[in-house]
Amino acid sequence: EADIYQTPRYLVIGTGKKITLECSQTMGHDKMYWYQQDPGMELHLIHYSYGVNSTEKGDLSSESTVSRIRTEHFPLTLESARPSHTSQYLCASRGRTGELFFGEGSRLTVL
Amino acid sequence: GEDVEQSLFLSVREGDSSVINCTYTDSSSTYLYWYKQEPGAGLQLLTYIFSNMDMKQDQRLTVLLNKKDKHLSLRIADTQTGDSAIYFCAETIFSGGYNKLIFGAGTRLAVHP
Repeated sequence: EADIYQTPRYLVIGTGKKITLECSQTMGHDKMYWYQQDPGMELHLIHYSYGVNSTEKGDLSSESTVSRIRTEHFPLTLESARPSHTSQYLCASRGRTGELFFGEGSRLTVL
Repeated sequence: GEDVEQSLFLSVREGDSSVINCTYTDSSSTYLYWYKQEPGAGLQLLTYIFSNMDMKQDQRLTVLLNKKDKHLSLRIADTQTGDSAIYFCAETIFSGGYNKLIFGAGTRLAVHP
């Protein structure tokens, strides 16, 4: 079973607030990813990291930013949340044979 | 191009077999994956198949790979109500200097009594 954790699971917040979604994994994986997914829809890669101090933007443009100071942590930050940011955010890390292990997701609602 | 396609919906009766189909475009894909997502949850890796295999069986799950047609299928035997979920097919491709996982849009499986 994969050991990757996301907090918070659910967040309802007002427009303009700064939020950070936490993601941590205990598997020692170098590669980590953030996906954005609207309910029941496809996944869109918004950020990825190949290791400490490495971050890149994904296929879908996002106003969020990420950091990778430690291997096990890959937090995502929105400086000023807007209703258009309402979505589910899924964090994942990459295993030895290329499979992704996903966290349970953070469902963000911006009012 | 990078594209993974799946049918969006499948409805089956409890106890029957379910077959979820997927087509992909990159013939250099090394691994292909099936993920399951239950409502409000993250994606759970169900199974994967290496590109040099034709079939892989794991309990009630059977994965068939047709490399010539770039077609992947997931068969669930004796489908149960707990199998109701969205199933995502994904392929690994090498693009832009790195490996990336491309997901399909997901097939929503509904199991009815």
